Amino acid sequence: DVKVTQSSRYLVKRTGEKVFLECVQDMDHENMFWYRQDPGLGLRLIYFSYDVKMKEKGDIPEGYSVSREKKERFSLILESASTNQTSMYLCASSPGTVHGYTFGSGTRLTVV
Amino acid sequence: DQQVKQNSPSLSVQEGRISILNCDYTNSMFDYFLWYKKYPAEGPTFLISISSIKDKNEDGRFTVFLNKSAKHLSLHIVPSQPGDSAVYFCAASVLWGAQKLVFGQGTRLTINP
Repeated sequence: DVKVTQSSRYLVKRTGEKVFLECVQDMDHENMFWYRQDPGLGLRLIYFSYDVKMKEKGDIPEGYSVSREKKERFSLILESASTNQTSMYLCASSPGTVHGYTFGSGTRLTVV
Repeated sequence: DQQVKQNSPSLSVQEGRISILNCDYTNSMFDYFLWYKKYPAEGPTFLISISSIKDKNEDGRFTVFLNKSAKHLSLHIVPSQPGDSAVYFCAASVLWGAQKLVFGQGTRLTINP
C-alpha cells in the first residue's frame, strides 16, 4: 500500500514562529499536495508540486511556502505562524493522475 | 468562490435505509468527479468516481449519479451501515489538465442504529 506519512499528528506553535510540516511518500509518486481542512470550507489546496524542485500555488498560498528537494518529501513552511493558520493540514501524493490520490493522516496545528 | 459545493453540512439516516449525499459544481470544465470518505484523525480515502461521459457508476452499496446539465452529482449508499458514519467529500477535476482536485465543504453522515 502507498503510504503518505506526516511527521506530526498534533503541533502547538506560538504566533510568529516559523513552522515546518513534513510529508513523506514511499511510492515514487510524481505529484504531491498540501491541503488544509477547515469546518464549513472543506479541503483547500495550498501548494502542489509536479516534480522535484517544482512548485505551484494552489488556491490559498498566502503565508505559506513549500520545499521539494527530494521526490519523496514535500515540506510546508509557515514563515510566521498566525492564529488564522490554526487548522488540519493534509498532505497527499498521486502518480500523475487524479485517480490515485493518497492522503496522509493529517497534522492538527494550533497557533497560540 | 466555491467551485464545488455540498450544501448539506450534515445528514442523519437510519441503519438499513438509503443515504443520499449531494454535490453541485459551477465549473463546466470539470470532467471527472470523485467521492472521498474521511474518519476522524485519518486522511480522506477514495470511495468512488465517475467520468463525465457516464451518468452512473456503481460499486457495491455505493452509486454515484451525474447530471451534467444540472451540474449536479449525488452519492447513494444502500443499505446504510453504522460504519458509513463519516464525513464525505465531493471532488472534481479536469481529467487531462492540472491533476488537481477541487473539494467541496463535506457532509457529515451519521447512521443511527
